[in-house]
Amino acid sequence: EPEVTQTPSHQVTQMGQEVILRCVPISNHLYFYWYRQILGQKVEFLVSFYNNEISEKSEIFDDQFSVERPDGSNFTLKIRSTKLEDSAMYFCASSSVGPETQYFGPGTRLLVL
Amino acid sequence: KQEVTQIPAALSVPEGENLVLNCSFTDSAIYNLQWFRQDHGKGLTSLLLIQSSQREQTSGRLNASLDKSSGRSTLYIAASQPGDSATYLCAVFFSGGYQKVTFGTGTKLQVIP
Repeated sequence: EPEVTQTPSHQVTQMGQEVILRCVPISNHLYFYWYRQILGQKVEFLVSFYNNEISEKSEIFDDQFSVERPDGSNFTLKIRSTKLEDSAMYFCASSSVGPETQYFGPGTRLLVL
Repeated sequence: KQEVTQIPAALSVPEGENLVLNCSFTDSAIYNLQWFRQDHGKGLTSLLLIQSSQREQTSGRLNASLDKSSGRSTLYIAASQPGDSATYLCAVFFSGGYQKVTFGTGTKLQVIP
């Protein structure tokens, strides 16, 4: 069964460094998403992406964040200058013909020191 | 505001017991509702997805029901096992043009051998 994959599974970085989290959505899917979960808190929506542009973003998704689909398979989340409070689990999701049925990846745990 | 609430926040039961986890949501206009399992510090495992036109879904020992009019869903786990110990998350895709899934805070289940 096709699945969403994410790399790396864990990443440790120093505050102020740039990180890129990578996702490979299910191959025929057209809608892509990023969510995050700070330890002990609920999963929160960050951004949705369709037709090579951001279609919706939350207040969390500020200028430090960006998303890109650099080729036909990858979907990336970049954090330009990481802060301690960016430490969280980041989940990628994708969906096919509509945004309502989203398939989630296993997550990348980011730790900012 | 569209919100998802899960009560209780934690539940401890002896092995073999049948149990029910509850999820409530503030807006009955939904596309679907999904139940996930999350092991401590790990990613999301999708358990069951109920479309808005459906009343319930079953998978093995799990049965999820949906009552849109009352804004409620339940996840029934039969004959609980220690391996069922995890946090169970309810996630709702609300209608209304928003492309995001809204998660509840979860119920942390412990099944005692």
